[in-house]
Amino acid sequence: DIVMTQSPDSLAVSLGERATIKCKSSQSVLYSSNNKNYLAWYQQKPGQPPKLLIYWASTRESGVPARFSGSGSATDFTLTISSLQAEDVAVYYCHQYYTTPRTFGQGTKVEIK
Amino acid sequence: EVHLLESGGGLVQPGGSLRLSCAASGFIFSKYAMSWVRQAPGKGLEWVSAISGSGYSADYPDSVKGRFTISRDNSKNMLYLQMSSLRAEDTARYYCAKESSDFWRGYSNYYGIDVWGQGTTVTVSS
Repeated sequence: DIVMTQSPDSLAVSLGERATIKCKSSQSVLYSSNNKNYLAWYQQKPGQPPKLLIYWASTRESGVPARFSGSGSATDFTLTISSLQAEDVAVYYCHQYYTTPRTFGQGTKVEIK
Repeated sequence: EVHLLESGGGLVQPGGSLRLSCAASGFIFSKYAMSWVRQAPGKGLEWVSAISGSGYSADYPDSVKGRFTISRDNSKNMLYLQMSSLRAEDTARYYCAKESSDFWRGYSNYYGIDVWGQGTTVTVSS
C-alpha cells in the first residue's frame, strides 16, 4: 500500500498569512502515460464531508479560491494557502488515486493563531 | 447539480450485517465509477470500496475484503454497500463518493473523487 504522510499534524496561522502543508507518499504517484501526478487535496470542515480542492497535484477544482495552490511531483507535494481566511479553518487531507487501495494522509488541522 | 444521499446507517451488534444505500442525482450515473469512504470518529479517511460504471468490476482494501460488497443499480441511480461480519472497528461515518470518471475504462483523465455525500453513521456495538 502507498503510505501518505502529512506534516505538520496541525498548524496555527494568523489571518492573511501563508499556510503550508506537506505530503509525502511512500512511492511515486506520477502516472507515466500522461505525466500527471495522481494526488489530490481535500478540505474538510467540522461536520461536513470532504471537498475537493486540488487534483493532479496542482489543478484547482472549479470554484476553489485562487489562494489555494498545489505543487510537487512524484513523492513530495505541498498545499499552500497564500493568505489564510477565517473560512479556511479545516482539516486538509492529501490523497493518492494512483493505485488501489486508495490512501489518504492522516490530515492536517489548520487553525487561526 | 450533483447530489448524493446516503441512508441505512444505524446501530448493529458485532457480527451483524447492514446495507447502506446512496441515491445519486444530477449526473449520468452509469458513466462514473463510485466509491465508499469511511471516517471513524475523530479519525481520518479510509477508502473501503469502488465499483465501475457498469457494476461488473469492484475493488476493496484488505480490511473489508470478503466482508463488504459494493453494488449498484444503474436503472435506479443507486449505490449500495452490503456489510457483514461487522466489527467494532467498522464504526464510522460512511460517505458515498462519485469518482471523476469510470477509471476502469481509462486512467488518463481520471482525477479522483470529485463529489461526496453527507454520509451515514454506522455504530457497531453490543
